[in-house]
Amino acid sequence: KAGVTQTPRYLIKTRGQQVTLSCSPISGHRSVSWYQQTPGQGLQFLFEYFSETQRNKGNFPGRFSGRQFSNSRSEMNVSTLELGDSALYLCASSPQATNTEAFFGQGTRLTVV
Amino acid sequence: DQQVKQNSPSLSVQEGRISILNCDYTNSMFDYFLWYKKYPAEGPTFLISISSIKDKNEDGRFTVFLNKSAKHLSLHIVPSQPGDSAVYFCAASAQGGGYNKLIFGAGTRLAVHP
Repeated sequence: KAGVTQTPRYLIKTRGQQVTLSCSPISGHRSVSWYQQTPGQGLQFLFEYFSETQRNKGNFPGRFSGRQFSNSRSEMNVSTLELGDSALYLCASSPQATNTEAFFGQGTRLTVV
Repeated sequence: DQQVKQNSPSLSVQEGRISILNCDYTNSMFDYFLWYKKYPAEGPTFLISISSIKDKNEDGRFTVFLNKSAKHLSLHIVPSQPGDSAVYFCAASAQGGGYNKLIFGAGTRLAVHP
């Protein structure tokens, strides 16, 4: 079974631009969640989708948004990029609806200059 | 407000010996706990998990212990190998939330030396 695939792996953007990151979950997994990892804040939960519905959102500004498609693939979007958005963005998929392990992709390293 | 705490930023262990990584939590609603291993510039790799109805779970060289009354869990790696050198994250979730959301600790960097 293929693992979680995230594209692109690396991205450099300028302040004020917007960016879209993509995630393909493990086949059969309907739960997809996103995390941001920074040296100062560690791994922080962004949001989680299940069957195209956002079920929970972390404490991030509205510039961070996401969606999930009918094939469970997910995208996250960050608008009006700020220098502080530079981070490793990780997508994870889970085999069950709740209280289960999450399998992570390799992440997208976003650098905002 | 750190709900999951890993108070040791680093740990150094000799190859072949036991590595013990510790984690404390404050939220009594947490009922599922996980350990992940992470290399730089890669996503975390799931290692082992434990439900709050158990106090121990074993998988090969990895054993997780849960002490609910103390709100403490630990990961034991026996015997430690150089390939175990990585950052280890403890994570927790609450089933009552009805969604998948992991709260992570800050991580402990494990170095296994010959």
